[in-house]
Amino acid sequence: QSALTQPPSASGSPGQSVTFSCTGTNNDVGRYNYVSWYQQHPGKAPKLIIFEVNKRPSGVPDRFSGSKSGNTASLTVSGLQAEDEADYYCSSYTGIYSWVFGGGTKLTVL
Amino acid sequence: QVQLVESGGGVVQPGRSLRLSCAASGFTFSAFGMHWVRQAPDKGLQWVASVSSTGSNNYSADSVRGRFAVSRDNSRDTLLLQMDSLRVEDTAVYYCAKGHSRGWYFFDSWGQGTLVTVSS
Repeated sequence: QSALTQPPSASGSPGQSVTFSCTGTNNDVGRYNYVSWYQQHPGKAPKLIIFEVNKRPSGVPDRFSGSKSGNTASLTVSGLQAEDEADYYCSSYTGIYSWVFGGGTKLTVL
Repeated sequence: QVQLVESGGGVVQPGRSLRLSCAASGFTFSAFGMHWVRQAPDKGLQWVASVSSTGSNNYSADSVRGRFAVSRDNSRDTLLLQMDSLRVEDTAVYYCAKGHSRGWYFFDSWGQGTLVTVSS
């Protein structure tokens, strides 16, 4: 199973919005709504911030939002804050009980 | 609150075995599917293996199938990963993760990870 495709880096200034893409295939992102996003700060464990394409776990600010169109999922971070600087990974269920992650996008807050 | 604590990592020679454990607390362990996800140094996340809530069904990535085996002990709220025939490319931080209440399609909570280094 090939990894999902994410841009390696993104950046934005405080207060701005930034959107990350996550491109898969008809067999994963395009077939299932089982897309999730994870935030990982350096040296820390990943944290679930979006599940089922666009749902936020309790405690995750509504500045984080998710969407999907065809084989591409997207994560938008609005009102950028310094603490949003982190790596962001998407993931999708691929069927037949397997999962795949993207390569990750490193967000820099300028 | 949910707590997952991995242990068992260390330095091991290629071809040898290692067993990782993940002690769970703060939730009804037997009600959730569980996962192992790894992250090689300065690399991205990679799904490794998953086990259903009862332990009767388990699944693993192509890269570890036949070498790694995931299991669980619901009487002790513990997730296990038996790793045999280890390779240099298995070097990574191994995280255990809890499946979400909406389904184990999402990795709800994560442990802090345990480092496995395979080197001669």
